[in-house]
Amino acid sequence: QKEVEQNSGPLSVPEGAIASLNCTYSDRGSQSFFWYRQYSGKSPELIMSIYSNGDKEDGRFTAQLNKASQYVSLLIRDSQPSDSATYLCAVNADNYGQNFVFGPGTRLSVLP
Amino acid sequence: NAGVMQNPRHLVRRRGQEARLRCSPMKGHSHVYWYRQLPEEGLKFMVYLQKENIIDESGMPKERFSAEFPKEGPSILRIQQVVRGDSAAYFCASSLTEYNSPLHFGNGTRLTVT
Repeated sequence: QKEVEQNSGPLSVPEGAIASLNCTYSDRGSQSFFWYRQYSGKSPELIMSIYSNGDKEDGRFTAQLNKASQYVSLLIRDSQPSDSATYLCAVNADNYGQNFVFGPGTRLSVLP
Repeated sequence: NAGVMQNPRHLVRRRGQEARLRCSPMKGHSHVYWYRQLPEEGLKFMVYLQKENIIDESGMPKERFSAEFPKEGPSILRIQQVVRGDSAAYFCASSLTEYNSPLHFGNGTRLTVT
């Protein structure tokens, strides 16, 4: 049973559109949630952290958390070709021995 | 303000040799994680360590692989008698606290076994 799930994609959006990336998790005790961006051949880079229900905005990025539905999403406004990457959702909970569980990632392709 | 430092960036080993991968966490971070990633695949958890302790090694193969995070010095991931299937990118990450703080990743070590 997977603990953190994401659509694998690829998700293709035209330049300038909103890209919506989704993540669900199974452990209700999960405490904090993170989105990472990984370009091909590079290491994951933290782009957003969210800890409480609601929206959190940072520039073109908005993270949304709904703990009741066990759902976290990332919206990218005004998508650019440079946003083309794999986006990883990570969940932090004390029920995981390793504390963090990563989803498989969603590959985003922004078409010029 | 140095980030997570991994070395070497690239490592080539012949089958049967040993590979040693090093990771210095961010300053002040005492929680270290190792992940493996094959091309076009997701991150696979290997081991979680705190200073001088292995907290969770459930993702590490039982044989040939070991990890340590001594009181002084970097964390080391050691692979003995490497095989071609060990070829992958190995990422180290560190965090400030056990909960509610993100992981920060190093640039990774690309291991190639010939």
